[in-house]
Amino acid sequence: GGIITQTPKFLIGQEGQKLTLKCQQNFNHDTMYWYRQDSGKGLRLIYYSITENDLQKGDLSEGYDASREKKSSFSLTVTSAQKNEMAVFLCASSRLGGYAEQFFGPGTRLTVL
Amino acid sequence: AQSVTQPDARVTVSEGASLQLRCKYSYSGTPYLFWYVQYPRQGLQLLLKYYSGDPVVQGVNGFEAEFIKSNSSFHLRKASVHWSDSAVYFCAVSADQGTGSKLSFGKGAKLTVSP
Repeated sequence: GGIITQTPKFLIGQEGQKLTLKCQQNFNHDTMYWYRQDSGKGLRLIYYSITENDLQKGDLSEGYDASREKKSSFSLTVTSAQKNEMAVFLCASSRLGGYAEQFFGPGTRLTVL
Repeated sequence: AQSVTQPDARVTVSEGASLQLRCKYSYSGTPYLFWYVQYPRQGLQLLLKYYSGDPVVQGVNGFEAEFIKSNSSFHLRKASVHWSDSAVYFCAVSADQGTGSKLSFGKGAKLTVSP
């Protein structure tokens, strides 16, 4: 088995601030993902990385940057936090291939004041 | 591009009753289909998945889903729900982009099991 760790669990920021979320996995998976979850809107893919040194934009990449530092870690940066923004950011990882199960972390809850 | 529709945002059933959560997908190719569950303050966990073979696929905790190609549907079922099944359920479809995988999720169905 393995685990996905997301830090921090809760993140409170100010409008316009740059904020970074971190994700670590010990499954030895090649592919990692960042999703944004808003109440009533499901999950939307922000960025994903098929293998180390790869970076792909998802459907919601505007306003975000991502970095795959090594195989086990994947960071997401909110480049300029929007006032009253509230969402949960979920990190996931999987083996290669479209049929592979994605394993999810517990999430980082973002609040922007 | 692929997409998923879950028409029932909130579902309430009595403990011991049967359950069906509906899912319809849109994808021109052969889809990979998934159901995930999210318990409060946790990430998502896989319930079951389907790609080919028997259109009725069994998952964890007594859940099953049936793939009906003619209807582009992948409904989730359980014969008898327990209070611990209260959670949010997501249907998802994947399009294999070579070696990568890109899941598209429905908006989720929040299930409440009443005593």
